[in-house]
Amino acid sequence: EVQLVQSGAEVKKPGESLKISCKVSGYNFADYLIAWVRQMPGKGLEWMGIIFPGDSDTTYSPSFQGQVTISADKTINTAYLQWTSLKASDTAIYYCARQGSTGNFDYWGQGALVTVSS
Amino acid sequence: QSALTQPASVSGSPGQSITISCTGITSDIGADKFVSWYQQYPGNAPKVIIFDVRVRPSGVSKRYSGSMSGNTASLTISGLQAEDEADYYCSSCTHSSTLVVFGGGTKLTVL
Repeated sequence: EVQLVQSGAEVKKPGESLKISCKVSGYNFADYLIAWVRQMPGKGLEWMGIIFPGDSDTTYSPSFQGQVTISADKTINTAYLQWTSLKASDTAIYYCARQGSTGNFDYWGQGALVTVSS
Repeated sequence: QSALTQPASVSGSPGQSITISCTGITSDIGADKFVSWYQQYPGNAPKVIIFDVRVRPSGVSKRYSGSMSGNTASLTISGLQAEDEADYYCSSCTHSSTLVVFGGGTKLTVL
């Protein structure tokens, strides 16, 4: 059974750093793209970027380039999304999802709520 | 490509059919267009209900169907049921890129 299990909710202050995780099981982690998707409170889905765990190659949406870092550790089947300096506007639910070759997301993590507030 | 455009809301009565549009789909010249549709209930992760324009994943009701005309993709839900009340999102990517864009989402209300 394919599962993407994300780390728990986080409450941070502006300026703090954060790294959230997405642990994968049930398939060969190195063979499929993992995407990160943001959903701000009451808003729609936004594609942030992807990583190919096989070689850690990344692609970012222009909207998120330079704002976050996506990484992966294929030895522990885990993808990461990282911020060095959080802003209040980073408050959102962040989903990881397996992205297929035609851009579809067939498996999703449960989401991780990140709250940034002073 | 730019973000895709969906109606903010649609509604229908039980048993009726509704269609949600998604405009602004682009593709590389001569290449297929890749469109997916997702259903999201409040507090839950999205779930794919259509991919590759019209393909239903195993286990998804046949009441959901996808189509494409020009630069507009459509999701049709037939025989509307109360359980269909949810948010629906389209997404697309081009053949030459792994970059995906989503539509703004459509809230479906079953009257």
